[in-house]
Amino acid sequence: GAVVSQHPSRVICKSGTSVKIECRSLDFQATTMFWYRQFPKQSLMLMATSNEGSKATYEQGVEKDKFLINHASLTLSTLTVTSAHPEDSSFYICSATLWTVNTEAFFGQGTRLTVV
Amino acid sequence: AQKITQTQPGMFVQEKEAVTLDCTYDTSDPSYGLFWYKQPSSGEMIFLIYQGSYDQQNATEGRYSLNFQKARKSANLVISASQLGDSAMYFCAMRDSLNAGGTSYGKLTFGQGTILTVHP
Repeated sequence: GAVVSQHPSRVICKSGTSVKIECRSLDFQATTMFWYRQFPKQSLMLMATSNEGSKATYEQGVEKDKFLINHASLTLSTLTVTSAHPEDSSFYICSATLWTVNTEAFFGQGTRLTVV
Repeated sequence: AQKITQTQPGMFVQEKEAVTLDCTYDTSDPSYGLFWYKQPSSGEMIFLIYQGSYDQQNATEGRYSLNFQKARKSANLVISASQLGDSAMYFCAMRDSLNAGGTSYGKLTFGQGTILTVHP
């Protein structure tokens, strides 16, 4: 199956700093990637849809300036949490679409962000 | 707007027994896909099974089967012969429209999740 790789798997940062999370499709080209956020024992909530070569589409309530998404190539989307605060601590996970396979969504391993 | 509901926050099952995890959904789109994912404590999302809205038969994958009742808008996951390694959080999810032309194709809406604990 298609492989999506997400890095880093864990990151601890200080309040006020920025953190970049990468999501790569290793063996296919992903024109669309999705970023989700998950708090402990809760569901995955979609943050934004990332389309290669265009601006990301953010879900209602998600701050565009805080969660910067860049999808500069067909295999890489990045999520940058700017000026991180403790309330941004969460599990972030990406998924990618493979047009020829509509029976599965491919997820990265996820990134556990802790802001101290 | 589509909605997925999982009403069981937690479920317990004895090893080797079968367990059913409930999922109901709501959508106005006649064309949709339903997914079940397993999420262990590591956080990774493990794909289990898929059911398309036009599929005539219930999906099966090894010990996993999906009880798809379209008229009732339910898509329950049945795990047979539970194993200790099945203990995890399970999510039901829906993707509306099998039309691959949209730029948001592949977006999933998730249910609240069910934490399954398998006892020895």
